[in-house]
Amino acid sequence: EDQVTQSPEALRLQEGESSSLNCSYTVSGLRGLFWYRQDPGKGPEFLFTLYSAGEEKEKERLKATLTKKESFLHITAPKPEDSATYLCAVQAADSWGKLQFGAGTQVVVTP
Amino acid sequence: DGGITQSPKYLFRKEGQNVTLSCEQNLNHDAMYWYRQDPGQGLRLIYYSQIVNDFQKGDIAEGYSVSREKKESFPLTVTSAQKNPTAFYLCASTPGPGGDQPQHFGDGTRLSIL
Repeated sequence: EDQVTQSPEALRLQEGESSSLNCSYTVSGLRGLFWYRQDPGKGPEFLFTLYSAGEEKEKERLKATLTKKESFLHITAPKPEDSATYLCAVQAADSWGKLQFGAGTQVVVTP
Repeated sequence: DGGITQSPKYLFRKEGQNVTLSCEQNLNHDAMYWYRQDPGQGLRLIYYSQIVNDFQKGDIAEGYSVSREKKESFPLTVTSAQKNPTAFYLCASTPGPGGDQPQHFGDGTRLSIL
């Protein structure tokens, strides 16, 4: 059975204090791994798709990396506006469009 | 601007009542999805539709029903058979059926029991 585990559950950072979020997954053939950002009371907002081990993608202060068993979302010099819940999801090769989501990491960045 | 519109934002259900959540998209996407989000849990798939007049059950379809009569609309009915309906419901879409495109989400409907 496909499984996605995110850690930590919550993370409190000072502004400028870099850190990483982890997404561990087990899936029968990975088609894609997705990172989303979700603000309270809103729908998830797409950040990145990673397809194969070794791939990296960046957007402003965020950088996502992928290995065969896990993905990391690195937040460099975060600002208060980076506060959100970050969701990871995987799509198995045989799942047709279906995503398996992790429970998310809630990030709070204080000034 | 193209996007997904979910309504209402908040909904209250009485015991024994069916309620319908609306999801409309103007992205010209073929595939649409319904998820349920509970605190501390990942999003769970309720139903999905690859194309008009076709839909499949997801992981937690019991107590829910859907229809897909138009490409842009995918309403979800929470029936009285769903005994624990309190949750945040999210609708999503992708350009084509299957594939590895990212899903675009609406801003959700929060359903509570009166």
